[in-house]
Amino acid sequence: QVQLQESGPGLVRPSQTLSLTCTVSGGSISRGGYYWSWIRQLPGKGLEWIGYIYYNGNTYYNPSLRSRVIISVDMSKNQFSLKLSSVTAADTAVYYCARARKWSPFDYWGQGALVTVSS
Amino acid sequence: QSALTQPASVSGSPGQSITIACTGTSSDVGGYDYVAWYQQHPGKAPKLMIYDVINRPSGVSNRFSGSKSGNTASLTISGLQAEDEADYFCGSYTSSTTLVFGGGTKLTVL
Repeated sequence: QVQLQESGPGLVRPSQTLSLTCTVSGGSISRGGYYWSWIRQLPGKGLEWIGYIYYNGNTYYNPSLRSRVIISVDMSKNQFSLKLSSVTAADTAVYYCARARKWSPFDYWGQGALVTVSS
Repeated sequence: QSALTQPASVSGSPGQSITIACTGTSSDVGGYDYVAWYQQHPGKAPKLMIYDVINRPSGVSNRFSGSKSGNTASLTISGLQAEDEADYFCGSYTSSTTLVFGGGTKLTVL
């Protein structure tokens, strides 16, 4: 059974960089076949796809966030990470990591990590 | 890219059927059979309920079904049960090689 778990600071100051890591267990990122994604849920609102990464480093990003986002993978730790720069209060959300085949639905999700942007 | 449009809320009584619509454009919902539906209970991660418009993952009740007509996809839940009360989100692939979700629909079982 694949499991994903987000980790990182729950509070980030405005203009700083939000950093989160997703640890994958029960399956190897390096095996291929799946894309590893970040999705966020703004308070009281719907889901927003941030982007995803393949084990070889290929990435796809939401155009609305592309200029501020970097998703990277560390196969030695079976982890992938999100960096979102120049954050504002509008980036306050629950951030989920999830797994999918390319352009297919997300079949496994982490439990989510609430990140608040505030001074 | 704009989010897909869903009604903010729907409701039904136990045993009844409800349908939730998800409206997009020919660049997403209407252009591809890559529509998925997710169920989310409060404080929990979303759970995949329908994929590729009409397919159910293993373990999902056959009371859940999906369909599509033009730029609108629909999720129907028959024989409503109290446990179905949750938020439901649709999602689709887009012609811009991105993914887009709907704003979510809160289902209340009366």
